[in-house]
Amino acid sequence: ELKVEQNPLFLSMQEEKNYTIYCNYSTTSDRLYWYRQDPGKSLESLFVLLSNGAVKQEGRLMASLDTKARLSTLHITAAVHDLSATYFCAVDSTGNQFYFGTGTSLTVIP
Amino acid sequence: EAQVTQNPRYLITVTGKKLTVTCSQNMNHEYMSWYRQDPGLGLRQIYYSMNVEVTDKGDVPEGYKVSRKEKRNFPLILESPSPNQTSLYFCASSPQAWDTEAFFGQGTRLTVV
Repeated sequence: ELKVEQNPLFLSMQEEKNYTIYCNYSTTSDRLYWYRQDPGKSLESLFVLLSNGAVKQEGRLMASLDTKARLSTLHITAAVHDLSATYFCAVDSTGNQFYFGTGTSLTVIP
Repeated sequence: EAQVTQNPRYLITVTGKKLTVTCSQNMNHEYMSWYRQDPGLGLRQIYYSMNVEVTDKGDVPEGYKVSRKEKRNFPLILESPSPNQTSLYFCASSPQAWDTEAFFGQGTRLTVV
């Protein structure tokens, strides 16, 4: 069974600071997905990473994928309150079935 | 508007009473799936469907059934709900299984008493 671990599970950070969320997974995969969930809401897609070395950026968020290390990172630059949410990474093992991490709950405080 | 629609949004039911949660997408997506979200466990995939009449088990299929008779609809059926199926359920769709983002419904909060 594929396992996906995120660290940290909870993150409280000050505005304007930088931080990184880590996503490790246990089996070979070239595809990794990041989603955001606001409290009481559904999930929305942030990034789709499809190859080793892939890097994508949107605003203050940047995601990267290292398939050899089975590691993806979500880097937050100069955090603002609007980024407070829970972030999930997900991996597909065969292209059909998806496994999600437990999520990282991010709170940005003034 | 492109969307995935789930109904109902909230449901309280009793143990053993059959229920169906509907899911419909208007994007002509081939791939659809169901997840349950529980605190500390993230999302776990229940069932998925690659296309019409093609369904398969995900990570936690026990106690659930699905069908895909039409491309747009993918209902989740609990034939005999039990309290351990109390959870937040999400339906999702995507153009294909891999390489693309998934679009999620608004969720169905189910309580089984």
